[in-house]
Amino acid sequence: DTGVSQDPRHKITKRGQNVTFRCDPISEHNRLYWYRQTLGQGPEFLTYFQNEAQLEKSRLLSDRFSAERPKGSFSTLEIQRTEQGDSAMYLCASSTGTSGGYTDTQYFGPGTRLTVL
Amino acid sequence: AQSVTQLGSHVSVSEGALVLLRCNYSSSVPPYLFWYVQYPNQGLQLLLKYTSAATLVKGINGFEAEFKKSETSFHLTKPSAHMSDAAEYFCAVTHEKLTFGTGTRLTIIP
Repeated sequence: DTGVSQDPRHKITKRGQNVTFRCDPISEHNRLYWYRQTLGQGPEFLTYFQNEAQLEKSRLLSDRFSAERPKGSFSTLEIQRTEQGDSAMYLCASSTGTSGGYTDTQYFGPGTRLTVL
Repeated sequence: AQSVTQLGSHVSVSEGALVLLRCNYSSSVPPYLFWYVQYPNQGLQLLLKYTSAATLVKGINGFEAEFKKSETSFHLTKPSAHMSDAAEYFCAVTHEKLTFGTGTRLTIIP
């Protein structure tokens, strides 16, 4: 069990560029979550997957954001036409999904810190 | 809708003193509650969770929390603070997805 990994750890981009982040969950974890954390705040839910199905999206996830988990393993989060307000830490978490998600422990990756200039 | 409120964005305690971090929840259904810790430039690590079994929950690193329905609270405590406890602590409630509080930064004074 190597834990949840995220790549890259840091990304600096110019406003208007597209960026893509990758998350590799703990193997055999069925659920995968994306959160966004801005400075001085707690993480905010963005979206989650049960295997390859995207089951819920927050209203925080504008149409510039898209997430995929094509084979039910790793996931990508793409932000198109980045804005300075997108600067944040993007966290990925995974869980087994065995209890319907209510009491499962979510294991977090180290995050990708995005800076939009 | 479910939410948590963490009272005190910054808490400072002396090494060896009691740590008390406050969390109050709001939930229309019986809540499942979590405490996570975040060290600088790292992801979140689970300290403990309440899932409607015992109301006093013991976690890692000597931390524990007590679920009090009458007070809608789930405060985190540790009898004796250690320098390594300095971090950001988040309370969270879950209904499939986690809803976090704004966090409490704990500083330990030598």
